[in-house]
Parts: sequence; structure tokens; C-alpha cells
Amino acid sequence: NAGVTQTPKFRVLKTGQSMTLLCAQDMNHEYMYWYRQDPGMGLRLIHYSVGEGTTAKGEVPDGYNVSRLKKQNFLLGLESAAPSQTSVYFCASSEAGFSSYEQYFGPGTRLTVT
Amino acid sequence: AQSVTQPDIHITVSEGASLELRCNYSYGATPYLFWYVQSPGQGLQLLLKYFSGDTLVQGIKGFEAEFKRSQSSFNLRKPSVHWSDAAEYFCAVGETGTASKLTFGTGTRLQVTL
Repeated sequence: NAGVTQTPKFRVLKTGQSMTLLCAQDMNHEYMYWYRQDPGMGLRLIHYSVGEGTTAKGEVPDGYNVSRLKKQNFLLGLESAAPSQTSVYFCASSEAGFSSYEQYFGPGTRLTVT
Repeated sequence: AQSVTQPDIHITVSEGASLELRCNYSYGATPYLFWYVQSPGQGLQLLLKYFSGDTLVQGIKGFEAEFKRSQSSFNLRKPSVHWSDAAEYFCAVGETGTASKLTFGTGTRLQVTL
């Protein structure tokens, strides 16, 4: 099993450009999450999904959109990138139910917005 | 709202020495508590978790943590540190309800000297 994979690994954008980050998991997990990690701030939840076709806002959703059209994929979009969105983005997935607190993380995408 | 405080940003220990990483939480009910580890350039991996019962929990890689309700703490310990333990460590508290969201602390970076 590949676990959780993220595409791309690195990306540089100019202010105002758009892009989509792809997260894929092969563990048949119900829940999926997008986080951003910034120095000194830990991980902050951007959006999450509790199943195919559902999404919800996390702690820092502004400037991002998400979609979960297939159970195994969770897409994070930036419509108009800003320098404040320079960060490392992590996707995670987990089972439903009580064991859902054990989240499995992807390797991350390092995004720089100039 | 729940919160997690990791008061130590950076800790350096010698290989073979003991380790204790501090974590304090704020949560109204009985907390679900977790420690994750992030090796350089990698995603996060679950080390151990506490839901209820025995307040001393064992995890992977020889780590343990003790839940102390009176001190609102969940400190991570290891009797003898190995050079491969150098990483960033995150404490997290789980939010009950749908999606089992986690709130992370800001992390403690562990450096191991030989």
C-alpha cells in the first residue's frame, strides 16, 4: 500500500495564480483532512471531509476550496494565491468511528507564493 | 475551545540520556490525547494515544506518556534516546464529535548529540 500520497511535492506560484493539490489514499478511509504547517504554529486544519461528496471548514479555510468527488481523493484548491499561503500542506486520512483519531499523513507539499 | 501548549520549542539531549517533552492541554471534558512525531521532510506518524483507563500509555519506538488530569498534562518520555529520535514532536488533543478533529501544539524539536 502506498498509504497517503500528495501531488506535487514542491510548487512555486506567483501571486494571483491558481493551483490544485491532490491527495490520494488507498486505505479506504472515510475521513480526510487538509492541514497547513507554518513555523512556530504547528498544524492547522484547513478543511476536512467525512465521506465522499462532503466537505467542511476547519480552523483556517479562507482562500481555499476543497472537493471530494471520489472517496480516495481529496483536492485542495487555491483560486488566487497570496504570499500568506506560503506553507507546507499536509493531507491526512483516517477511518470513521473511534479509531478515526489515528490520522495517517502524506509527505507534504511545500508551496511558495512569490 | 481546546488548546495545546508545548512550552519547549527546542530541546537537545545526548544519546543515551533520558527525555521528557512537556505538553499541557485545555479541554472541558475528558480529553483524547496524542503524540505524533515528524521526521525531517516527512509527514506525521502517531506515537501513542490516550483515551481512558491506565494513565501511563506505551507507544512505538520505546516512548511512553503519562496523563495527569490534575496538571492537565500529557508528557512524553523515553528512558534512553537514540540518534534516530531526532525529529519534531507534536502533542494533540482530539475533539469529540464528527470527524474526530485534532488540535495540535506548536511542536518541540528534538536534537540528539552523539
